[in-house]
Amino acid sequence: AQSVTQLDSQVPVFEEAPVELRCNYSSSVSVYLFWYVQYPNQGLQLLLKYLSGSTLVKGINGFEAEFNKSQTSFHLRKPSVHISDTAEYFCAAYNAGGTSYGKLTFGQGTILTVHP
Amino acid sequence: GAGVSQTPSNKVTEKGKYVELRCDPISGHTALYWYRQSLGQGPEFLIYFQGTGAADDSGLPNDRFFAVRPEGSVSTLKIQRTERGDSAVYLCASSLSPGNEQYFGPGTRLTVT
Repeated sequence: AQSVTQLDSQVPVFEEAPVELRCNYSSSVSVYLFWYVQYPNQGLQLLLKYLSGSTLVKGINGFEAEFNKSQTSFHLRKPSVHISDTAEYFCAAYNAGGTSYGKLTFGQGTILTVHP
Repeated sequence: GAGVSQTPSNKVTEKGKYVELRCDPISGHTALYWYRQSLGQGPEFLIYFQGTGAADDSGLPNDRFFAVRPEGSVSTLKIQRTERGDSAVYLCASSLSPGNEQYFGPGTRLTVT
């Protein structure tokens, strides 16, 4: 079964500093990978996705992620964060093909807090 | 266009009561998913519909949980004999077809007292 591990439960950072949120997945088969953001009292919003092709994926709000098959990782990065990036971030995956039908497996979440 | 909507946004019920949670997907989306998010956790898959049928209900925790989608659009998640452990945010998502990007609703926060 697919599993997703987010290595940091909380990441504090100062405004305009770079940030990396780490995510590892377990599946040995082809996977599709996603990062979602959840602002307080709001639903999940897709930041970016990796389906195939270039391993560097660019998303909304200046975020990007790199798919690394050998390390089974999909870390999220932003070169300069803003106060408004404060939110909880979820990494998610599902196995391409098979019968998973897009059933997402989520990590535990990482709370990003940006301080002025 | 309108996104995924869920009602109610909050539901407080007493232990042992029956509750229904509603999801209105994006028009034209054939796939609909229910997830449950407990405090401090990521969402966990409950059930997936393709059209009117439940294609995968492997995430439903026990037989107190049931979901329907009779006309292939709106879905209702039903929980019988609620327990305090059922307290969580229940999220609904829809996608154009299975495997495509899922769009999430704001969730229903269920509190069982």
